[in-house]
Amino acid sequence: GESVGLHLPTLSVQEGDNSIINCAYSNSASDYFIWYKQESGKGPQFIIDIRSNMDKRQGQRVTVLLNKTVKHLSLQIAATQPGDSAVYFCAESTPLKTSYDKVIFGPGTSLSVIP
Amino acid sequence: NAGVTQTPKFRILKIGQSMTLQCAQDMNHNYMYWYRQDPGMGLKLIYYSVGAGITDKGEVPNGYNVSRSTTEDFPLRLELAAPSQTSVYFCASSKHHETVAKNIQYFGAGTRLSVL
Repeated sequence: GESVGLHLPTLSVQEGDNSIINCAYSNSASDYFIWYKQESGKGPQFIIDIRSNMDKRQGQRVTVLLNKTVKHLSLQIAATQPGDSAVYFCAESTPLKTSYDKVIFGPGTSLSVIP
Repeated sequence: NAGVTQTPKFRILKIGQSMTLQCAQDMNHNYMYWYRQDPGMGLKLIYYSVGAGITDKGEVPNGYNVSRSTTEDFPLRLELAAPSQTSVYFCASSKHHETVAKNIQYFGAGTRLSVL
């Protein structure tokens, strides 16, 4: 069935290093992908998105890579800071025949930054 | 803009009690959603709405009801609370647009509900 999953449920990174969070999806019809960050006690917050006609998109210190061949996307965080400690969710959006695009969230990866 | 506002932030219910979780957004978003998040887990969609007067079931709708009488408000109703409904509930909204940043969801701060 449709699913969005993460390879690593937890990730510990030294401050200043780069972080890579991975995500696998199974629906080849998904055309839009989003990464969210959820800090403790808060709701998820949008970080970056990418459409299926792209393979890379860069933001401020973050880069999302999309590999449609293997149905995989990743979130790269450069020079990881303590404030990056959070749970990161990927989400895939699949257009349906109705006006609603089905969005499925992955289980999340907990990123811990070691000072 | 306040964004998405959820009330209350915390609530403890006894088994069998009822309550309504409130959600309001001031961004003129047409889509709204209710999710539940169990400890250490991802988000599960309960109900969603694509506009005022239109609601539909998500992945885990049993035990819940919603209504969407206005664009701004999307309350979630629990009729007979059960321990299995202990969770953190998030409301979200998005502006469905074919060409511009579609489906980015904006989340409220959540309601932490315990059913004892």
